[in-house]
Amino acid sequence: GAGVSQSPRYKVAKRGQDVALRCDPISGHVSLFWYQQALGQGPEFLTYFQNEAQLDKSGLPSDRFFAERPEGSVSTLKIQRTQQEDSAVYLCASSLDLASGVTDTQYFGPGTRLTVL
Amino acid sequence: AQSVTQPDIHITVSEGASLELRCNYSYGATPYLFWYVQSPGQGLQLLLKYFSGDTLVQGIKGFEAEFKRSQSSFNLRKPSVHWSDAAEYFCAVGEGGGADGLTFGKGTHLIIQP
Repeated sequence: GAGVSQSPRYKVAKRGQDVALRCDPISGHVSLFWYQQALGQGPEFLTYFQNEAQLDKSGLPSDRFFAERPEGSVSTLKIQRTQQEDSAVYLCASSLDLASGVTDTQYFGPGTRLTVL
Repeated sequence: AQSVTQPDIHITVSEGASLELRCNYSYGATPYLFWYVQSPGQGLQLLLKYFSGDTLVQGIKGFEAEFKRSQSSFNLRKPSVHWSDAAEYFCAVGEGGGADGLTFGKGTHLIIQP
């Protein structure tokens, strides 16, 4: 079946521009996660959705970062007034959310590489 | 707070040789442990995971990992590497909650020599 898809795959923005990154999770997956991966680093957690509810946004680095999942499927990560330090790969992952108290397997998309000039 | 340490930034192995990638975690309770592989320009692919039970887990592509609670380790092994195994490998830990973002190590870059 189809995996997690993300678009665009590459985005170049001038400093100060707003960007929107899209994630299509695996159909039926309840949980959706966003991660930021800086060059040469491991992914770092940004935010988590259970269906349309954003239950954890503790990893968002500033109030310029905003995520939504209005219908509980597709999600958008928006970055306002981009800065050079926002340059990174943004990864989306989804999971089934089988049971409480269990860390479900997360399936990752290919990522969006954002470069801010 | 949980953390993951992958002490080796780069590892070079000859094709056909055995491989062990190290991972140490810091977490109070029983963790949920994962190994992912990332090829250039690709997302993360799950190799294997440990939730409970048998401490030696088998994964895809001939990989295995052993959970050792006493050493807080979850090292990844493969008896004979192939050139196609060259990639970045990430160890990750989860706490076992519903809203459970994974904590990743910084990764180990695996280079395969012919």
